[in-house]
Amino acid sequence: AQSVTQLDSHVSVSEGTPVLLRCNYSSSYSPSLFWYVQHPNKGLQLLLKYTSAATLVKGINGFEAEFKKSETSFHLTKPSAHMSDAAEYFCVVSDRLTDYKLSFGAGTTVTVRA
Amino acid sequence: GAVVSQHPSWVICKSGTSVKIECRSLDFQATTMFWYRQFPKQSLMLMATSNEGSKATYEQGVEKDKFLINHASLTLSTLTVTSAHPEDSSFYICSARDLGETEAFFGQGTRLTVV
Repeated sequence: AQSVTQLDSHVSVSEGTPVLLRCNYSSSYSPSLFWYVQHPNKGLQLLLKYTSAATLVKGINGFEAEFKKSETSFHLTKPSAHMSDAAEYFCVVSDRLTDYKLSFGAGTTVTVRA
Repeated sequence: GAVVSQHPSWVICKSGTSVKIECRSLDFQATTMFWYRQFPKQSLMLMATSNEGSKATYEQGVEKDKFLINHASLTLSTLTVTSAHPEDSSFYICSARDLGETEAFFGQGTRLTVV
């Protein structure tokens, strides 16, 4: 069965400093991995996705993530946080064995200090 | 990316009434749609998966008679919360996926408050 563990429930950074959101996954087949962002009372916006192509994935708004099969990780990074990055972030996994149903991590709340 | 429109964005209803939430794919054919429920400060919980023209598949613990899902066309799925009660108050989100695609696109969500 597939699952996702987001290692930090809350991350607080200063504006202009790097952001790191950690995600480990479990999948019995070649997974697809996603990072979504959710602002309060809004739907989810896709930041980036990995689907067996390049292991370093670049997304929107300066975010990127690296797929590391040996570590079963898909950590999300951004070199310089902006106030607008304050939101909830979800790491998500899917694979063919589950007909690509999405399994969500518990989420990481990011706060950005001025 | 593709656009999924969810309506209404928020709704308040009285206990015992039914509420219908619509999820539309605007520029692609959504052969599969998913309905999620999200409690405050929690992750998304999958309620059911629906394929166009067939009955929805509900996740364990989700009452199919309470949460009626219809996916009658390739661009529209509806979730009806029947005989709503305050404990049904939540944020409901749909997502839609085209045939053969791995990525699903999300609606904006519906905040349901039952009073």
